[in-house]
Amino acid sequence: KAGVTQTPRYLIKTRGQQVTLSCSPISGHRSVSWYQQTPGQGLQFLFEYFSETQRNKGNFPGRFSGRQFSNSRSEMNVSTLELGDSALYLCASSLTVSGVLNEQFFGPGTRLTVL
Amino acid sequence: DQQVKQNSPSLSVQEGRISILNCDYTNSMFDYFLWYKKYPAEGPTFLISISSIKDKNEDGRFTVFLNKSAKHLSLHIVPSQPGDSAVYFCAASGSSGTYKYIFGTGTRLKVLA
Repeated sequence: KAGVTQTPRYLIKTRGQQVTLSCSPISGHRSVSWYQQTPGQGLQFLFEYFSETQRNKGNFPGRFSGRQFSNSRSEMNVSTLELGDSALYLCASSLTVSGVLNEQFFGPGTRLTVL
Repeated sequence: DQQVKQNSPSLSVQEGRISILNCDYTNSMFDYFLWYKKYPAEGPTFLISISSIKDKNEDGRFTVFLNKSAKHLSLHIVPSQPGDSAVYFCAASGSSGTYKYIFGTGTRLKVLA
């Protein structure tokens, strides 16, 4: 069974640009969560999608948005990039909406560098 | 406001000895806790979890202890192996669904051969 895949693996953008990251969950998994990992901040929750609907959202500005398609694949978009957006963006999938006893499986991440 | 804290950014342990990684949390609504291990260029992988109805959960060389009164959990690795060298994240969640997984900042463990 294939794991969670994320594309692209590496991305370099300049300030002010926008970027779209893609995540394909494990087959059969319907929930996709996105996290931002930066040094000193750990993994910070961005949002979670289940059945094409955003179910939970973290404390990030509106420049960060996402969506989920009917095949459970998800995309994350960041508009008007800032230097501080440079981070590893991780996607995690789970069978149902995340919660107790519902293990999340992480992809390898997309390393975004904003110059 | 960091609700889940890992105050030790790094830890070095000799092979064969015990590794103890610590995690503190502030939100009493958290009732499910997990540890993830992360190697460079890979996503975090689930290691072990514990529900708040327990104070200990063991899986092979890994044991997680939960002290609810102190809002503290720890991961013990015995014996430590060089392959355990990685960044370890603790995470907390609330069963009500209100709280998603809140992760700590991670502790980099280095096991010396």
